[in-house]
Amino acid sequence: QVQLVQSGGEVKKPGASVKVSCKASGYTFTNYAINWVRQAPGQGLEWMGWISAYKGDTHYAQNLQGRVTMTTDTSTSTAYMELRSLTSDDTAVYYCARDGGYCGSSSCPSSFYYMDVWGEGTTVTVSS
Amino acid sequence: DIVMTQSPDSLAVSLGERATIHCKSSQSVLYSSNNKNFLAWYQQKPGQPPKLLIYWASTRESGVPDRFSGSGSGRDFILTISSLQVEDVAVYYCQQYYSSPQTFGQGTKLEIK
Repeated sequence: QVQLVQSGGEVKKPGASVKVSCKASGYTFTNYAINWVRQAPGQGLEWMGWISAYKGDTHYAQNLQGRVTMTTDTSTSTAYMELRSLTSDDTAVYYCARDGGYCGSSSCPSSFYYMDVWGEGTTVTVSS
Repeated sequence: DIVMTQSPDSLAVSLGERATIHCKSSQSVLYSSNNKNFLAWYQQKPGQPPKLLIYWASTRESGVPDRFSGSGSGRDFILTISSLQVEDVAVYYCQQYYSSPQTFGQGTKLEIK
């Protein structure tokens, strides 16, 4: 079945970096983009960005520009999200979620799609 | 950025009764070239990731019970649960994927009365 499996929880000090992984299975990784969404404790959902697993192009949320980098490794069907210069405001559950738009060799969607498959989440705690 | 505003923030409905959640976007999410509304609804239960319920404003995801339905166009959207079941207790989010940054509503907490 289609699945996204994320790396385990992390505890980081302020100013440090964290890199979360998201391993896809059950589908051809390069045919779909990946979103990253985070949720602070007791709060709503915040979109962080999107990466095409086919082309590698990215869209990042403006408030994270310069601190976040999203990458993919097609050889292992894994997406990564690295967030730098962490503060306590970055304490959250981080989710990867597949963009439901199919991207094939002949054409890719020119727009975003809904998020149809989600990882289980990775808790990142930033504390001194 | 497109701001998504849901109402109400919380809702208590009796079992078997109808639940209605509203979502309004600060600008239209209807793409005129394909006449699709770039609007999705998600359900999130405690300790779980969100689950896709509805996309293109009214298309039910495979496996989602038919008591869930979505409607609306342009800027105003509704998620309806026709007959509330115990397992529907959750927080519901609308989301626009029309433009970057993608944005979510603040969530509506649905409980049993």
